[in-house]
Amino acid sequence: EPEVTQTPSHQVTQMGQEVILRCVPISNHLYFYWYRQILGQKVEFLVSFYNNEISEKSEIFDDQFSVERPDGSNFTLKIRSTKLEDSAMYFCASSEGRGETQYFGPGTRLLVL
Amino acid sequence: AQSVTQPDIHITVSEGASLELRCNYSYGATPYLFWYVQSPGQGLQLLLKYFSGDTLVQGIKGFEAEFKRSQSSFNLRKPSVHWSDAAEYFCAVGAYNFNKFYFGSGTKLNVKP
Repeated sequence: EPEVTQTPSHQVTQMGQEVILRCVPISNHLYFYWYRQILGQKVEFLVSFYNNEISEKSEIFDDQFSVERPDGSNFTLKIRSTKLEDSAMYFCASSEGRGETQYFGPGTRLLVL
Repeated sequence: AQSVTQPDIHITVSEGASLELRCNYSYGATPYLFWYVQSPGQGLQLLLKYFSGDTLVQGIKGFEAEFKRSQSSFNLRKPSVHWSDAAEYFCAVGAYNFNKFYFGSGTKLNVKP
């Protein structure tokens, strides 16, 4: 069964450093998403991406964040200058279309020191 | 604004006992409702979903959920719990033609032998 994959599974970084989280969505899906879950809190929507552009973003997704689909398979989330409060589990998801079921990856646990 | 409430943070049941996990949502129109499960170290796996039609939906692993519009609820049930069901369960809601989910805070299920 096709699945969403994410790398790395864990990342530790120093405050102020840039990180790139990688995702490979399900191959025939057209919509891609990033969510995050700060420890002990709800899973929160960050951004959705379609046709090589952001279709919706939350207020969390500020100028420090960016997303990209650099090739036909990868979907990345970049945090330019990490802050302590960026420590969270980051989930990638994909769906065939808008309003369709979203399938989630296993997550990347990011720790900012 | 849309929101999802899962009132129970932790639930412990004995193996073989029945299970009901509660989910209440707040949304003005007909919601699209989902239950996901997250096992340790794993991603969010879709258990079941409700878009329209029959208000009792069947999912994988013997789970079912019932949409009750009058109570704004979408509770997850299983008649007989197995030790492998120990995990965290998330309820999520999307609007028509949604581009993002709103998640509940999750319910951690422990299963006693």
